[in-house]
Amino acid sequence: QSALTQPASVSGSPGQSVTISCSGTSSDVGTYNLVSWYQQHPGKAPKVIIYDVTKRPSGVSNRFSGSKSGNTASLTISGLQAEDEADYYCCSYVRSSSLWVFGGGTKLTVL
Amino acid sequence: EVQLVESGGDLVQPGGSLRLSCTASGFTFDDHAMHWVRQAPGKGLEWVSGISWNSGGIGHADSVKGRFAISRDNSKNSLFLQMSSLRAEDTALYYCARDWGYDFWTGPIDYWGQGTLVTVSS
Repeated sequence: QSALTQPASVSGSPGQSVTISCSGTSSDVGTYNLVSWYQQHPGKAPKVIIYDVTKRPSGVSNRFSGSKSGNTASLTISGLQAEDEADYYCCSYVRSSSLWVFGGGTKLTVL
Repeated sequence: EVQLVESGGDLVQPGGSLRLSCTASGFTFDDHAMHWVRQAPGKGLEWVSGISWNSGGIGHADSVKGRFAISRDNSKNSLFLQMSSLRAEDTALYYCARDWGYDFWTGPIDYWGQGTLVTVSS
């Protein structure tokens, strides 16, 4: 099972919005709404920020939002802040193989 | 407060074996599926294995299938990963992680430990 495809890096200025894409297949992202997004700061454990494509856990800023179109999921971060600078990973369940797969990760730089 | 504490990471030779443990606290352990996720130095996250609340459902990544085995002991709030035939590419920080639901296919992973480092090298 191949990893989901994410851009290696994205950047934006404070206050701007950025979108990170996560490309999968009809076997994972395209069929099931079990897509989640994780934020990881250097030296820290990951933190879930979006699950089931669009849902936000309690305590996560509403500046983070998720969506999906076809085989591609997206994470949008609006009103960029310095603290958003981190690595972001998408994740999807692959029911046919009974396993989870992560994207390669995207490094977000706040200019 | 949910806490997941991993242990057992070590330096091991290629072909060797190792058993990782994770002790959970701050929540009802048998209400949740559990996972192991690893991260090689400077690399991304890779899901390794998952196990449902009652061990009735188990899954492993293709990269570890046949070599790694996940298990749990609900009476001891503990999760395990038995690793054998270790390879250099298994070198990584191994995270113990909690699933929101009962079954490992429910998702999402909502809590993570701090990880235990496994190094495979001669």
